[in-house]
Amino acid sequence: AQRVTQPEKLLSVFKGAPVELKCNYSYSGSPELFWYVQYSRQRLQLLLRHISRESIKGFTADLNKGETSFHLKKPFAQEEDSAMYYCALANQAGTALIFGKGTTLSVSS
Amino acid sequence: GAGVSQSPRYKVAKRGQDVALRCDPISGHVSLFWYQQALGQGPEFLTYFQNEAQLDKSGLPSDRFFAERPEGSVSTLKIQRTQQEDSAVYLCASSLDDAADRPRSFGPGTRLTVT
Repeated sequence: AQRVTQPEKLLSVFKGAPVELKCNYSYSGSPELFWYVQYSRQRLQLLLRHISRESIKGFTADLNKGETSFHLKKPFAQEEDSAMYYCALANQAGTALIFGKGTTLSVSS
Repeated sequence: GAGVSQSPRYKVAKRGQDVALRCDPISGHVSLFWYQQALGQGPEFLTYFQNEAQLDKSGLPSDRFFAERPEGSVSTLKIQRTQQEDSAVYLCASSLDDAADRPRSFGPGTRLTVT
C-alpha cells in the first residue's frame, strides 16, 4: 500500500529553535517524495522535492529508505515559517500525489 | 504571472443538486489535476488530464463525479446529486509537462458546502 503518515497535527516551537516535521511513507520501490506548504490565506505550493536535494528557505529533507522517512528540518525557525506543511508521495502510476494529513507549524517569539 | 484560477470560490448546494466547478490552468500547461480536500485532511487525488485526455480517474469517489477538459485547457468537475459527504475544498493544479512534472502550486480551491 502507498501511504504517507505525518504523526504530528501541530508542532509549536520558539523562534530560533530547530524544527523537525516528521513524515513516514509506505511504498514498494524507489519513492518520489515532496514537501508542500500552505501559508495562511495562500495557495498550496511546492517547497522541495527529494530528488533535487535542494534547500529552500533554509529547509532540507533527507530520504531515509531504511526508516522509510522524509523528515523536514530547519536549524533555526522563523516566525514566517508558521504554516501548514504536507508531505507527499508520487503514486506508482506516476499520475498523482498521495498527501499526508499535514502538520501545522507554529513559530512564536 | 497568473496562476491557476478556480470558480466559484464558494458554492453552497442543497443535497441532491448538481454542481459544476471550473478550473482555468496556467496557459500552455499540458497536465491538469483535481484533488478533494476534506476538513482536517490532506488533499486526495481525484483525476488527471494530459491535454484533453483523461488518463487517470481512479480517485473519483463515485459515478456521480465527472470531469472533462474538452479542448485541453479549461476543465470542469461536475458532481451530480450532491451528498453531504461531498462537502470539501476542491483543488485544481496544472503543470507544464506530463504528470511527472509535479505541480508547483495549486489553485485557490472551491469550497463546496452541501446542506
